[in-house]
Amino acid sequence: AQKVTQAQTEISVVEKEDVTLDCVYETRDTTYYLFWYKQPPSGELVFLIRRNSFDEQNEISGRYSWNFQKSTSSFNFTITASQVVDSAVYFCALSGGSSNTGKLIFGQGTTLQVKP
Amino acid sequence: DADVTQTPRNRITKTGKRIMLECSQTKGHDRMYWYRQDPGLGLRLIYYSFDVKDINKGEISDGYSVSRQAQAKFSLSLESAIPNQTALYFCATSRTGLQPQHFGDGTRLSIL
Repeated sequence: AQKVTQAQTEISVVEKEDVTLDCVYETRDTTYYLFWYKQPPSGELVFLIRRNSFDEQNEISGRYSWNFQKSTSSFNFTITASQVVDSAVYFCALSGGSSNTGKLIFGQGTTLQVKP
Repeated sequence: DADVTQTPRNRITKTGKRIMLECSQTKGHDRMYWYRQDPGLGLRLIYYSFDVKDINKGEISDGYSVSRQAQAKFSLSLESAIPNQTALYFCATSRTGLQPQHFGDGTRLSIL
C-alpha cells in the first residue's frame, strides 16, 4: 500500500530562519511521482513541485528547494530565509502505479507558522 | 475567472438532507477528482473520473455519489448527510495521471 508521512504536525519559526519540512513515503511501485502543495490561510491548494522517481536531482526555485532521496524514501522541502507569507499548511503527496490513475495519496500536512 | 470552480463555497445543513456540491472547469482536462480534507488527516480521495463514462471509487466513497454530466462538470452528492461528513471538500482536475492536479477553492460543508 502507498503511504505518505509528514511527522511534523506544526512548526514555528521566526522570519528569516531556514526551515525544512519532512516527507517520507512508502510505495512498491518503481515509477511514481511526488508532489508538494501549499495551502495558505485562504484555503486554496497551490501546486509547488512534481518530481518523478527517476529524477533524484535536487531542485531549487528561489527560496524553495527540494531534496529527493530514494535510498531513504524521503522528499524534503526547505524554505530558506522564511517570510511571513510562507505561513501555510504544506502537503506532500504521492502518485504512482502502472495504472496511471493519477490518484494522489496525501500526507497529513505540516502547518508552518512564520512569526515576524 | 478561476479555472476550477466549486459551488457553493460554504454550506450549513442538517442531518438527513441531500446535498450536492458542484465543480466545473475550463481547463479542458479529462480527469476530475473529489477529495475531502479533515484536520490531521490530509486530503483523501472520494471519487475520480477519467471521462464522462468512466467513474471510479476512491478511498472513502461510502455515503457519497457522483455524476459526470460533461467533460467540464463533476458533481458530488451526499444522499443523506451525517455529521461526520462535515469537512472541507475539494475538486481537482488534471490532464493526465502524471500531471499535477489543479484544485478548486474548496467547499466548506457543515452538517448539524
